Amino acid sequence: DQQVKQNSPSLSVQEGRISILNCDYTNSMFDYFLWYKKYPAEGPTFLISISSIKDKNEDGRFTVFLNKSAKHLSLHIVPSQPGDSAVYFCAARGRTSYDKVIFGPGTSLSVIP
Amino acid sequence: DAGVIQSPRHEVTEMGQEVTLRCKPISGHNSLFWYRQTMMRGLELLIYFNNNVPIDDSGMPEDRFSAKMPNASFSTLKIQPSEPRDSAVYFCASSLPPGASHGKGQYFGPGTRLTVL
Repeated sequence: DQQVKQNSPSLSVQEGRISILNCDYTNSMFDYFLWYKKYPAEGPTFLISISSIKDKNEDGRFTVFLNKSAKHLSLHIVPSQPGDSAVYFCAARGRTSYDKVIFGPGTSLSVIP
Repeated sequence: DAGVIQSPRHEVTEMGQEVTLRCKPISGHNSLFWYRQTMMRGLELLIYFNNNVPIDDSGMPEDRFSAKMPNASFSTLKIQPSEPRDSAVYFCASSLPPGASHGKGQYFGPGTRLTVL
């Protein structure tokens, strides 16, 4: 049973426009959420995170929104750049830092120049 | 810092052979994680260590897989005997102690691409 879902395997966006990547989760015990970016032949790199006590966290062009009641989060990239083309993983873990991090299947973003 | 170091980067072996993957975490990180990435199952956690002690190995697929962390700077993931279905990219990741991570998540190595023929 997939606890973290990313229902869009791929997404194409024009350079300069907004990219919105979505993530849904099923486990109400998840307390902390992370986004990772992965380029081909490299390991995932941490991008941004959000605690369940917040509904928004912003870091430069990247903003993560959390809707706990809907068990939904989204990553907004504004403006999108060609260098943002990568696979984006949504991840979640429980209340303590020792809880396992569960990753979603990833969404491949292509930003078209 | 060199980041998380994994070796080898690529491994091609024949079914039945023993495979050993190696990982050097970032100095000062006290948690280490082994992941496997496949098209079918995505990125799945196999095992993780905290202060060199295995905390959760429930993701290890079967007895053919074993992992060790003899000291804070080295870990191995061994598959014996290997099978074609073990073909995947294996990632090692490390992280700071919970209070010091400042929400930065885990740092991943470049991965080892394993092909079992």
